Amino acid sequence: NAGVTQTPKFQVLKTGQSMTLQCAQDMNHNSMYWYRQDPGMGLRLIYYSASEGTTDKGEVPNGYNVSRLNKREFSLRLESAAPSQTSVYFCASGLLAGVMETQYFGPGTRLLVL
Amino acid sequence: QKEVEQNSGPLSVPEGAIASLNCTYSDRGSQSFFWYRQYSGKSPELIMSIYSNGDKEDGRFTAQLNKASQYVSLLIRDSQPSDSATYLCAVNSNSGYALNFGKGTSLLVTP
Repeated sequence: NAGVTQTPKFQVLKTGQSMTLQCAQDMNHNSMYWYRQDPGMGLRLIYYSASEGTTDKGEVPNGYNVSRLNKREFSLRLESAAPSQTSVYFCASGLLAGVMETQYFGPGTRLLVL
Repeated sequence: QKEVEQNSGPLSVPEGAIASLNCTYSDRGSQSFFWYRQYSGKSPELIMSIYSNGDKEDGRFTAQLNKASQYVSLLIRDSQPSDSATYLCAVNSNSGYALNFGKGTSLLVTP
């Protein structure tokens, strides 16, 4: 099993450009998440999907859209990139066991917006 | 805003010593608590999870939870230089399974 995979690993954008970050998991998890990590800010939740067909906003959703394409894939789209969106983006999927869900992270995408 | 607080460190311990990492949280409704390890330039890796008050041990790692005092801690016994990393405390929100993360504690284990 590959676990959680993310593409691309690294991307440079100019202000105003758009792009989609891809995430896929092969663990048959229901939940998927997008976080961003900035120095001194910790991990912050952008959007999540509790199950196929549903998405919800997290702490910092402005400037982003998501699509839960199917159970495996959860993409994050930046419609008009801004320098403030320079960050490392992590996708995670969640395994529910009883009342506890444990999240497993992908390798991340480093995004630089000029 | 639900808060998860950690001392940023760096926490420096000699090789072989016990490292103690602490975390406090504000949401009394939180049910699940996690410790992740993150090496520089890498993604968070799950170390421990704990749900019930008390201690949970896994190898050299022990997680301790006290819901009344709203803190969770991680003890690393026989610390090794390879344990040098940032340790993230994460707490679920009482409205679901989404996690709130602390900013992390940097641990340095010196030979």
